Amino acid sequence: SQQGEEDPQALSIQEGENATMNCSYKTSINNLQWYRQNSGRGLVHLILIRSNEREKHSGRLRVTLDTSKKSSSLLITASRAADTASYFCATDEGRGSTLGRLYFGRGTQLTVWP
Amino acid sequence: DSGVTQTPKHLITATGQRVTLRCSPRSGDLSVYWYQQSLDQGLQFLIQYYNGEERAKGNILERFSAQQFPDLHSELNLSSLELGDSALYFCASSRGILALSSSNTGELFFGEGSRLTVL
Repeated sequence: SQQGEEDPQALSIQEGENATMNCSYKTSINNLQWYRQNSGRGLVHLILIRSNEREKHSGRLRVTLDTSKKSSSLLITASRAADTASYFCATDEGRGSTLGRLYFGRGTQLTVWP
Repeated sequence: DSGVTQTPKHLITATGQRVTLRCSPRSGDLSVYWYQQSLDQGLQFLIQYYNGEERAKGNILERFSAQQFPDLHSELNLSSLELGDSALYFCASSRGILALSSSNTGELFFGEGSRLTVL
């Protein structure tokens, strides 16, 4: 099994700035997902990118995937105080036509100051 | 609201005791996953069930067990509790284990977690 590793561990920015978080993983994947967690709450799915995709957008979120480097990045544009949360990347190793369980990294704690 | 329900929300117990955590998945979801989140270990995958059958095991201790019932709800049993078992336990559900499609987006829907404190 393998886990994603996020970088940086913590990120502190002002409202309106962009936030970029990176994720590296070790083995081949079926897809990579990003989740958000507000303090002490459940995780919420943000975006999924398949292994044959290179970039995906959803609102203010932009995710890239480089399978040759085994890395992904999550960009949040024009950040808001409400974006303050922990962000996790999760890899799905899925074999063949089945999806496996997700392995999560340790997360990036994003703080957006008003 | 993810549609996944976990009970209890908080649980305080003593070392050596046994507890049961319960999870009701989203309507229509056949897969249930259990995760443990602690400060030192992060989010650890414990076990996965699909339509009542165990599909995958992760870092689940032998003192822990789980099952998924015919109505698809799941229970995680933690026994001989130790201080280090204090953590947030999450249940998540998804449509299934089939390849991604319009009916299976591949995302997991998480409950709000059960916070276990072992004293």
